[in-house]
Amino acid sequence: DAGVIQSPRHEVTEMGQEVTLRCKPISGHNSLFWYRQTMMRGLELLIYFNNNVPIDDSGMPEDRFSAKMPNASFSTLKIQPSEPRDSAVYFCASSRSTGPQHFGDGTRLSIL
Amino acid sequence: DAKTTQPTSMDCAEGRAANLPCNHSTISGNEYVYWYRQIHSQGPQYIIHGLKNNETNEMASLIITEDRKSSTLILPHATLRDTAVYYCIVSVYGGATNKLIFGTGTLLAVQP
Repeated sequence: DAGVIQSPRHEVTEMGQEVTLRCKPISGHNSLFWYRQTMMRGLELLIYFNNNVPIDDSGMPEDRFSAKMPNASFSTLKIQPSEPRDSAVYFCASSRSTGPQHFGDGTRLSIL
Repeated sequence: DAKTTQPTSMDCAEGRAANLPCNHSTISGNEYVYWYRQIHSQGPQYIIHGLKNNETNEMASLIITEDRKSSTLILPHATLRDTAVYYCIVSVYGGATNKLIFGTGTLLAVQP
């Protein structure tokens, strides 16, 4: 079975540019989570969706960050405009309502 | 969510059992104990979870004390590929509140 698929795996862009990260959850999973991992702050939950509806976005750092889930098989995390301090590894995870979370391999983002 | 306390790092000889402790003295009655691990440059991987009974699967065993204030993850025969950061997390199971708060974890180094 395919796991959580994230794209791109690596992204390098200049400060001020828009960045869009993509996630395809595991089929049949109805919860989706976006995390960010840095050396300084560890693994942080940014936002999560249940049945395509955002439930808790309290971890989103600021208005430059936005996330959408237009359907059960796709989600995006957008940063506009991007800043160097946004450099991190971004993970997407999905789960059934009653079940453990399964993580993708992450997107390594570098903002120059 | 309750907080957990884990040792920063541990060593284990290859082929021996690795016993990773976790304290969660403020755990609530409806919170489960989850264990995840993160191998370098990969997304976190679910290992096992439990409420109050001991659990075993193909990866590991989870021993939870009777008062539920601490638990131990056991890898029965550690291999070099088990070198990773292991996270102990307590969280309500399932539903729209199924979010995980990761701490700093235990870096397990399996030595040849």
